[in-house]
Amino acid sequence: NFMLTQPHSVSESPGKTVTISCTRSSDSSASNYVQWYQQRPGSSPTTVIYENDQRPSGVPDRFSGSVDSSSSSASLTISGLKTEDEGDYYCQSYDTNNHAVFGGGTKLTVL
Amino acid sequence: EVQLLESGGGLVQPGGSLRLSCVASGFTFSSYAMNWVRQAPGKGLEWVSSITGPHGDRIYYADSVRGRFTISRDNSKNTLYLQMNSLRAEDTAIYYCARDLWGLYYFDYWGQGTLVTVSS
Repeated sequence: NFMLTQPHSVSESPGKTVTISCTRSSDSSASNYVQWYQQRPGSSPTTVIYENDQRPSGVPDRFSGSVDSSSSSASLTISGLKTEDEGDYYCQSYDTNNHAVFGGGTKLTVL
Repeated sequence: EVQLLESGGGLVQPGGSLRLSCVASGFTFSSYAMNWVRQAPGKGLEWVSSITGPHGDRIYYADSVRGRFTISRDNSKNTLYLQMNSLRAEDTAIYYCARDLWGLYYFDYWGQGTLVTVSS
């Protein structure tokens, strides 16, 4: 098993850029894709990034994802922040036992 | 339009049982792996179980529910199930069903969730 570690919270001003990190504890599943989900209060999660850096249709290009294999970490970057981007963000991957794993979530505040 | 509609949640006593259902529409249900993901009040997302293959021949469980929960599917009814036995207070959560687009744990569609409360 492995863990995905995210910062508990981040905050930034409208129009600025924020990056949320997701660090994987070392294991042999390091090459498995990472997804990022946004969850607004009272709503179900929705995908903002899949397969490390792909955006589903309808997700603005202000959202981007990347993976740094050397540090076993993934990142979600949101540029041109808007108040509507506020919510919880979760990274997710899966391990060698075919178990999905979620990070603990990061609360984004745009103030 | 893809839709996932969960039902079956409610209040149950510790040690009790409950069966959740998720009715799918808008896609060929039998062609997709399906999952249950839960979220305890004020907490993060926790994967619970997955079922892959048209006949549900590959099934996986989180360690926290293995031996107590059973996932299954009825492709003729486009329905995913989660039978939950020996329920504990820590099983209290919103339970979401989620479609796995490619069987690689990319959850592209989620239901609205159903709340399970385990309390005496």
